[in-house]
Amino acid sequence: DAMVIQNPRYQVTQFGKPVTLSCSQTLNHNVMYWYQQKSSQAPKLLFHYYDKDFNNEADTPDNFQSRRPNTSFCFLDIRSPGLGDAAMYLCATSRDFGLSSYEQYFGPGTRLTVT
Amino acid sequence: GNSVTQMEGPVTLSEEAFLTINCTYTATGYPSLFWYVQYPGEGLQLLLKATKADDKGSNKGFEATYRKETTSFHLEKGSVQVSDSAVYFCALSVTQGGSEKLVFGKGTKLTVNP
Repeated sequence: DAMVIQNPRYQVTQFGKPVTLSCSQTLNHNVMYWYQQKSSQAPKLLFHYYDKDFNNEADTPDNFQSRRPNTSFCFLDIRSPGLGDAAMYLCATSRDFGLSSYEQYFGPGTRLTVT
Repeated sequence: GNSVTQMEGPVTLSEEAFLTINCTYTATGYPSLFWYVQYPGEGLQLLLKATKADDKGSNKGFEATYRKETTSFHLEKGSVQVSDSAVYFCALSVTQGGSEKLVFGKGTKLTVNP
């Protein structure tokens, strides 16, 4: 059974055209994360939500925004995609903070192409 | 700062060969250490973890020991199978500003041939 679902799996957008990536979870977890993974690089945390509390990483560009309208859904908005934003975007969830106790569950990712 | 360095891939082995994927880390404090695996077309899955020095994590025949003296967490498996072909990520946990996050290595792609 799918637990963390990301749609679409592949997204193509034009330079400067806003795009939204979607993540949903059936686990009822409190924490949801968004990571960016560029080719042959490590996944990099962009931001996370603990319930409705939003936590932005210090080096996440302003071009990236996120919304969490309810427990199940979280969206990544890229306001003006540049060529450098082409990457795999990974969504993850965990029941609570405390990585030694609570596993992060990852979705399959959305591969974003910017033309 | 906090960082993870993994051996460069790709790694290609024959079935039943011994596997080692090296991982070293730099961290302040005492992080937990993790290995994640990503099978083709799927998300990352936790493979094993260790939360303190000298702990050994194990799962599905894979093992890794938290070595504080060498700041290492090398992944090993005695006899790999074709189904182990995947990308393997080493990671550590970092606590900043009251929240905890993962810092990943770049990943090592493993291909096991029959």
